[in-house]
Parts: sequence; structure tokens; C-alpha cells
Amino acid sequence: DSGVTQTPKHLITATGQRVTLRCSPRSGDLSVYWYQQSLDQGLQFLIHYYNGEERAKGNILERFSAQQFPDLHSELNLSSLELGDSALYFCASSVSGWGGETQYFGPGTRLLVL
Amino acid sequence: DQQVKQNSPSLSVQEGRISILNCDYTNSMFDYFLWYKKYPAEGPTFLISISSIKDKNEDGRFTVFLNKSAKHLSLHIVPSQPGDSAVYFCAASDGGATNKLIFGTGTLLAVQP
Repeated sequence: DSGVTQTPKHLITATGQRVTLRCSPRSGDLSVYWYQQSLDQGLQFLIHYYNGEERAKGNILERFSAQQFPDLHSELNLSSLELGDSALYFCASSVSGWGGETQYFGPGTRLLVL
Repeated sequence: DQQVKQNSPSLSVQEGRISILNCDYTNSMFDYFLWYKKYPAEGPTFLISISSIKDKNEDGRFTVFLNKSAKHLSLHIVPSQPGDSAVYFCAASDGGATNKLIFGTGTLLAVQP
């Protein structure tokens, strides 16, 4: 158990809908990262938040957004969902977010868009 | 543009023997490398890491070797155990303020009893 929690574990929805994925980092960690793992791709970095502020963006679609709240939990919002958004979404956390820090991953949310 | 490559999609070894998983990278700015293990329906689990100032790091049965001139790293597992059967991901970071990880596509290791 990494100490990172994600809810829900599974999510099934329809195209065009909007969903919210939630992540709670390990106790004491200030940084939260979101990654997407599609069937045909490895883990792709989406976005990094540190202590409530966005620090870096990766290949995140404009339909996707995230935020980190004062209690440090984070939410990833996916809107206007398409079939291709079906994937595993992982959250990770680290202490400060500087390069070279180990990231610890949550169990993931499996999203299926029908 | 795949900056981190794991060219072997799968590897099968006998229990007790050595498993060697390989990873190549193209970005010379990467200076921190990590290996993660992943079981189905679980998140990646951190195994071992290495900084670019080192060429070897060891933790129990796991050793990571880094060859910066060849832009190549490898993970050695000795001895291999059936419980090591999983997908192994290599990841790299450029050590900057973002700490974003660039992952390889993974190698499925099967350790046969």
C-alpha cells in the first residue's frame, strides 16, 4: 500500500459525459501528479500540482482539467468524453516535487467510455 | 517521439536465475532514473532508482546499472522468484522543477517455477 488513494476504482460512462476522479496523496506529500495509461501506450504524464498550484503540464487535452485543494487532495475532471478517453488514470504523489524525487502511485481509476 | 524505450515487450526466465531488463533513453538531460513494477489492476510500485552521478545502485535482489555514454540502463534481479512476475517500467526525469516522469512501454517478466 503506497498510501495514495484514488476513487472511484472503476467508472463506466457514456460519450459526451463529464466525470471527476479523486486522489488523496500520501500524508506529508505536497505534490500530486496525474498519468494516463491507454491500451496502446505506456504511462503518459498529464499534469503536476504542488501545494495547490499547477507546476507542469504534459499531454493533457483541453477537455481535461485538474486542481489541488487546500487539504492537498486533487481532482481530475474529464469532460465531453470520447471513446478514446477510456484508460487507466493514475495519481502519484511526492514530498516536494523537485526532480529526482520518487513518486508513489495510487491504485488507479479505470475509466470506460461507451 | 519515444524518449524512453524498452525494446523487449516480454522476458521469460527460470526461478533462481538472473532477470535482466533493459531500457534505453535518448534525452541527455535525463539525470534520474527509476524502475517500477506493476501487477494487473494495481498501480506501479517503486522498486529502485539511480541518479546520473552513479553507475550502480543495489537494493537486496535488485541492482540497477547506468551507462550514460550509451544512454542505457538495466535492472538485474537475482535470484528471480515467481512473485517477480509483473510488468516492469523504466522511467526518467530531467531533475528539474517539474519532476515529471517519462515512462517506457514496459517489459512483461514471467518467472517460471
